Amino acid sequence: QSALTQPASVSGSPGQSITISCTGTSSDVGSYNLVSWYQQHPGKAPKLMVYEGSKRPSGVSNRFSGSKSGNTASLTISGLQAEDEAVYYCCSYAGSSTFWVFGGGTKLTVL
Amino acid sequence: QITLKESGPTLVKPTQTLTLTCTFSGFSLSTSGVGVGWIRQPPGKALEWLALIYWDDDKRYSPSLKSRLTITKDTSKNQVVLTMTNMDPVDTATYYCAHSKFSSSWSVDYWGQGTLVTVSS
Repeated sequence: QSALTQPASVSGSPGQSITISCTGTSSDVGSYNLVSWYQQHPGKAPKLMVYEGSKRPSGVSNRFSGSKSGNTASLTISGLQAEDEAVYYCCSYAGSSTFWVFGGGTKLTVL
Repeated sequence: QITLKESGPTLVKPTQTLTLTCTFSGFSLSTSGVGVGWIRQPPGKALEWLALIYWDDDKRYSPSLKSRLTITKDTSKNQVVLTMTNMDPVDTATYYCAHSKFSSSWSVDYWGQGTLVTVSS
């Protein structure tokens, strides 16, 4: 069982917006603004999409945005495109003892 | 251009020790603010963070696996080695090598292609 809770699946039509939630605790998501989001296509290594809660690495589309409220972080993808179909994982720093924890992953289906 | 590549056995027997090597290029692990770590993913399951070694040789381990893991670096060879003792079939997974840096809040900005390790007798 993963430390962070994500919905198993979400779906949306091309052009729409979707939001994926990532719920942790006051020991991880709630205590640190250090949530990152990764996109993983089948058979491929994950790709960093958002770090430090809301920052995008160079080259990542501004259609991807991150936010946080309390113990829950969120990834919003606007203007859905077919190539966005993938599994998305959240990850949070959880202190010097536990360090990094991942969510269970959310499969995004573009209808 | 930063690249990382994992190497090691594809099949290990239960109770054996796994040794994986990450060979990287495009950066130096002696540069301040840089780290290399390992993350694994069982087939069809979620990612799991394992270990991280910093440029200054500081190390961090997953609490649940700490007793079984050792991470080391060879800066001259641009390599990081992960050893995991007492392997079990539940350790069957794709093992990824990963680059992190302080300026990205230690998120993983570059990943290796991954190597599938199967634990079976």
